[in-house]
Amino acid sequence: DADVTQTPRNRITKTGKRIMLECSQTKGHDRMYWYRQDPGLGLRLIYYSFDVKDINKGEISDGYSVSRQAQAKFSLSLESAIPNQTALYFCATSEFGAGGTYNEQFFGPGTRLTVL
Amino acid sequence: AQSVSQHNHHVILSEAASLELGCNYSYGGTVNLFWYVQYPGQHLQLLLKYFSGDPLVKGIKGFEAEFIKSKFSFNLRKPSVQWSDTAEYFCAVQPNFNKFYFGSGTKLNVKP
Repeated sequence: DADVTQTPRNRITKTGKRIMLECSQTKGHDRMYWYRQDPGLGLRLIYYSFDVKDINKGEISDGYSVSRQAQAKFSLSLESAIPNQTALYFCATSEFGAGGTYNEQFFGPGTRLTVL
Repeated sequence: AQSVSQHNHHVILSEAASLELGCNYSYGGTVNLFWYVQYPGQHLQLLLKYFSGDPLVKGIKGFEAEFIKSKFSFNLRKPSVQWSDTAEYFCAVQPNFNKFYFGSGTKLNVKP
């Protein structure tokens, strides 16, 4: 079974609709992240959470909101979708290790979102 | 502004050619460094990582990277590429055990 799962994997929606993308992990990591990937721009951070009570904006949080329902679940919402939010969205997890050896990120399979 | 720069956006090589992809960053303090690979239609997978110690890091599939602190660089290398290395490669930096910053990626196309 995959350690980081995302639902849905593909979604086509219309401008103005509310959309929720969900991420679940079984790795037991405290830290979770939402990124969007656009061609030529790499991965840009939308929101991140270092534990259940901690939510932080990333570099492109406008138009998005998140909810950390539990250690294992981190949802991303688009309150009113617009066409320039068409992108590939990735959830990732990591844990904090004092020695630094456990800080790598593990990525989900991605959600391809198209806003018409 | 602080950033992660990957200057090669698209690289085309023939099989058996050597590969070097550049990555420069502008963050100070303690940094953890990563290279991820994304094969077509897939998610990002870790190739290698550097936290401390030997600045020459070996990863999976014959890849290696060298951390040069004075140059703020973490370049990825492979002596002989294969067609199966066709993918997009991302450099990532984690300053001070905080959030991660990614470069814009380099698309590698290996011709058989």
